[in-house]
Amino acid sequence: GENVEQHPSTLSVQEGDSAVIKCTYSDSASNYFPWYKQELGKGPQLIIDIRSNVGEKKDQRIAVTLNKTAKHFSLHITETQPEDSAVYFCAASGGPTGAGGGNKLTFGTGTQLKVEL
Amino acid sequence: EAQVTQNPRYLITVTGKKLTVTCSQNMNHEYMSWYRQDPGLGLRQIYYSMNVEVTDKGDVPEGYKVSRKEKRNFPLILESPSPNQTSLYFCASRRPDNEQFFGPGTRLTVL
Repeated sequence: GENVEQHPSTLSVQEGDSAVIKCTYSDSASNYFPWYKQELGKGPQLIIDIRSNVGEKKDQRIAVTLNKTAKHFSLHITETQPEDSAVYFCAASGGPTGAGGGNKLTFGTGTQLKVEL
Repeated sequence: EAQVTQNPRYLITVTGKKLTVTCSQNMNHEYMSWYRQDPGLGLRQIYYSMNVEVTDKGDVPEGYKVSRKEKRNFPLILESPSPNQTSLYFCASRRPDNEQFFGPGTRLTVL
């Protein structure tokens, strides 16, 4: 089945700096790669996603890049702010005939991002 | 407002006492699932349901049961909870384009 590895597990940056979180996946059939932000005491919320027919996607200060050949994707946050402090999860969705009823989301282990003033 | 709700949000119980965590979504999604979140392990799928009366095991189903009698509800049942089921649990529902929505979580402690 799919295996998603996420690095780093913790990341501390100064306010205004950029933050980059990287993930690799194992199943070449995966075609959907979302990123979730989890604030303390809340459920994960989708912040951006990318599909396999696109190499990069941007939404204001956040962007995601995908390299299908190398099977890795990354989250980039620019001009970080204290409210960006949270746990971030990457995930990969297998193909329609894969495990979990098809299109199952497999998650990375999370990155605790801390933006310091 | 489109949302996934879970109850209770916090629960402390004792070993062996059956419990149910409810989950409901108002988005008419067919696919729903349960995850547990443990430090350093991310989110692991417990069970999923592709539609009413269609459920199947995820990655860590041991000790759990689910049912899907209505499209909007997907309860998680622990018939004989044990301390290793102490965790943070999330229910989620998914759109056909794969975008997944999570509930607020249930923090369960089994003594």
